[in-house]
Amino acid sequence: KQEVTQIPAALSVPEGENLVLNCSFTDSAIYNLQWFRQDPGKGLTSLLLIQSSQREQTSGRLNASLDKSSGRSTLYIAASQPGDSATYLCAVPNNDMRFGAGTRLTVKP
Amino acid sequence: EAQVTQNPRYLITVTGKKLTVTCSQNMNHEYMSWYRQDPGLGLRQIYYSMNVEVTDKGDVPEGYKVSRKEKRNFPLILESPSPNQTSLYFCASRTTGGAGELFFGEGSRLTVL
Repeated sequence: KQEVTQIPAALSVPEGENLVLNCSFTDSAIYNLQWFRQDPGKGLTSLLLIQSSQREQTSGRLNASLDKSSGRSTLYIAASQPGDSATYLCAVPNNDMRFGAGTRLTVKP
Repeated sequence: EAQVTQNPRYLITVTGKKLTVTCSQNMNHEYMSWYRQDPGLGLRQIYYSMNVEVTDKGDVPEGYKVSRKEKRNFPLILESPSPNQTSLYFCASRTTGGAGELFFGEGSRLTVL
């Protein structure tokens, strides 16, 4: 059964830093990988979707990469801002979606 | 606007009083699913549906029922709620095949006293 792990569980950085969030998965036979953002008590907002045939996907200050063979994806956030503070989750679809536990990011002004 | 709509958004109820959380999507998606999110446990899938009249259990189906009579709707039914079902619930949808983007509803916070 697919298992998804996110490291670190929590991260605190000063404003302006570039940072990397990690996601690993055990079964490389995936269709795609999706990154979400969740604010406390709120719903999940889709950030990026990387298809299995793609290596990376970019949206503004966010860049997600995918290495199927090694079972890894990274989410790179450039020039972090306090408004980026949230929990970031990665998910791998199958009939049952598998989610990582998330990385709680705090960006300090 | 493409969206997944859940109702109610907030609900406080008592043990044993049947309730239904509705979920509707306007994107003509075949796949719909329900999750619960609890502190320290992350998102766990309750049930999913690949299409109309096709449903299957996720990781934590006990105490829940679902039905998929129409493509756009996928209600979650708690026949006899218990306090351990107090949680934040999310509905989501996407196209089948696994390659589609997953869209989430805004969540329903349920408290069972």
